[in-house]
Amino acid sequence: KQEVTQIPAALSVPEGENLVLNCSFTDSAIYNLQWFRQDPGKGLTSLLLIQSSQREQTSGRLNASLDKSSGRSTLYIAASQPGDSATYLCAVPWAGGATNKLIFGTGTLLAVQP
Amino acid sequence: ETGVTQSPTHLIKTRGQQVTLRCSSQSGHNTVSWYQQALGQGPQFIFQYYREEENGRGNFPPRFSGLQFPNYSSELNVNALELDDSALYLCASSPKGTSDTDTQYFGPGTRLTVL
Repeated sequence: KQEVTQIPAALSVPEGENLVLNCSFTDSAIYNLQWFRQDPGKGLTSLLLIQSSQREQTSGRLNASLDKSSGRSTLYIAASQPGDSATYLCAVPWAGGATNKLIFGTGTLLAVQP
Repeated sequence: ETGVTQSPTHLIKTRGQQVTLRCSSQSGHNTVSWYQQALGQGPQFIFQYYREEENGRGNFPPRFSGLQFPNYSSELNVNALELDDSALYLCASSPKGTSDTDTQYFGPGTRLTVL
């Protein structure tokens, strides 16, 4: 059974700091891995999707890496801003295949202090 | 703007009651998934509907049921509410079927409180 965990559960950093969020999964046979952002009252927004054949994906100040063999992904946020404050979730497809039924991690609550 | 709306925004019920939550997506979104997110946890997959048929179910009891209508809007019904059903319920819709991961859109959720 696939399990996805995220550490730390919460993180508070001063504005401008670079930071790394971690995601671990127990079954390495994943089709892809996705990082989401969750703002209160606004649902989930997809940030980055990494296919199983890729090592990393970048979007602006965000960079996500994937190491299937070790069951790990990281989300790197450069030069953090107060607007980055949110909960960040990683997710992998249910049963490992090409499906949009997802298994989510427990999330990391990020607070960026001005 | 994702175009996925959920109603109601908040809801308070008592144990044993029944509740219906609704999800409306953009025209043509033929796939809808429902998730339950308890406080401080990640969302958990409840079930998915594809073209009005159930297409996969997570580890939830039968008192959680759903419907998808011809216009692809959807309902989540929960019978015999329990305190542990208190959570944020999210729906997600996709226009490209069940394997489409990069154009799946989430609604803002319905916050259900069971007293």
